[in-house]
Order: sequence, then structure tokens, then C-alpha cells
Amino acid sequence: RKEVEQDPGPFNVPEGATVAFNCTYSNSASQSFFWYRQDCRKEPKLLMSVYSSGNEDGRFTAQLNRASQYISLLIRDSKLSDSATYLCVLPRGDGNNRLAFGKGNQVVVIP
Amino acid sequence: ETGVTQSPTHLIKTRGQQVTLRCSSQSGHNTVSWYQQALGQGPQFIFQYYREEENGRGNFPPRFSGLQFPNYSSELNVNALELDDSALYLCASSAGDFQETQYFGPGTRLLVL
Repeated sequence: RKEVEQDPGPFNVPEGATVAFNCTYSNSASQSFFWYRQDCRKEPKLLMSVYSSGNEDGRFTAQLNRASQYISLLIRDSKLSDSATYLCVLPRGDGNNRLAFGKGNQVVVIP
Repeated sequence: ETGVTQSPTHLIKTRGQQVTLRCSSQSGHNTVSWYQQALGQGPQFIFQYYREEENGRGNFPPRFSGLQFPNYSSELNVNALELDDSALYLCASSAGDFQETQYFGPGTRLLVL
């Protein structure tokens, strides 16, 4: 099993709708999780950190299911500007501050 | 903006050549990590430098090497370039080698012909 797995999509979402996608991970000892947003041809930028069961920031909600080893990201009331790739990120199993990235979930918000 | 800068922004090389990519970390950050992102993939960890020492390495061959300088800026060197080395190379700086948020630079896009 890969360290981090994501369904790349694309996820085509009507403007104003809700979209959710999951990320599965293999290292059951992982304590911290991150969602990064990456716009086309740009660098990843931190969207949200998750250290316990979940986190919420405005229209974005992340939930962690340790038993099933997945983390989800939900976007409510989608805006055109939410179109991007959302990368699920965990610290690598070899410790410290080295990150393992999924392939990303590509979200396309349609007018 | 994160304050992390990278140069050059774009580069075209041919197979067998060597390339040096540069990264200036955010002020106050002593750790730089390098990642390779191929088209359609997530970034892959190459290695990390902490206080001028290599502090962990991913699954990349020895022809990928690096340096960190006393001002914590860093270089990534790739020898004997291969076509598959074509990718976006990202550096990320952080305040330590613990669970600190990493801030990415804009990347260098390398094309190997």
C-alpha cells in the first residue's frame, strides 16, 4: 500500500455545491495530517492542518478516521476560485519533517 | 508570499548534462527540503538539509546531491541528467526538523531533452 493514496479525479462540481473526497494512508502511527492546495503550475500552499479528529476553516472541513486510516476534505458552497488540486500530505514514515504527498484530488468548479 | 525564492524559474537541458538549482529559505528558517514533482504526480521527497547537514534522503540516486550554506540557502545538483528528470523541483523551508509547517517556493521547472 502506498504511503498516501488519492483518487486524482477530476471532481467536477457545480458552483455552490458541496464536494468531498478521501485520502487513505498506510502509516497507522501518523499523528499529523495536512491538506495543501496547488493551483495549476504553482507551488503547494498549506490549506489546513489536522492533529486530532478533524478541523474546520470556513467552508473547508477535514475529518480524520484513524480506524479506517483515511482523512477527508469537504468543501461547502464551492466557488470558482476553489478550482485547484488538493494534496493530502503526511509526515513520512522515516520521521521528522519530511512529507509524503498523495497525487492530489483535482477539483473543477463549473459555473 | 512565503518568502522562499528559487532560481531559475525554468531551465532546459539535454541528457547527460548537469544542473544546479537554488533556493533561498524564509528568514529565520534553518531547514530546507527538496521535492520533485513530475506531471500529474504529487511531490516526492528528495532530501532535507538542517543546519548545513543532510538530514534524511528519499529514494533518489546519488547523482542527486545538495548543499546548504551558512545562511541556510540551498542548492540541488543533478548530474548525468535523464529524460525522466523533467519535473517541477520544489524547495520548502521550515523553522526546524520537527513537525513544523513547510513553506514552498515557486519551483524550478526543468525540461530535459
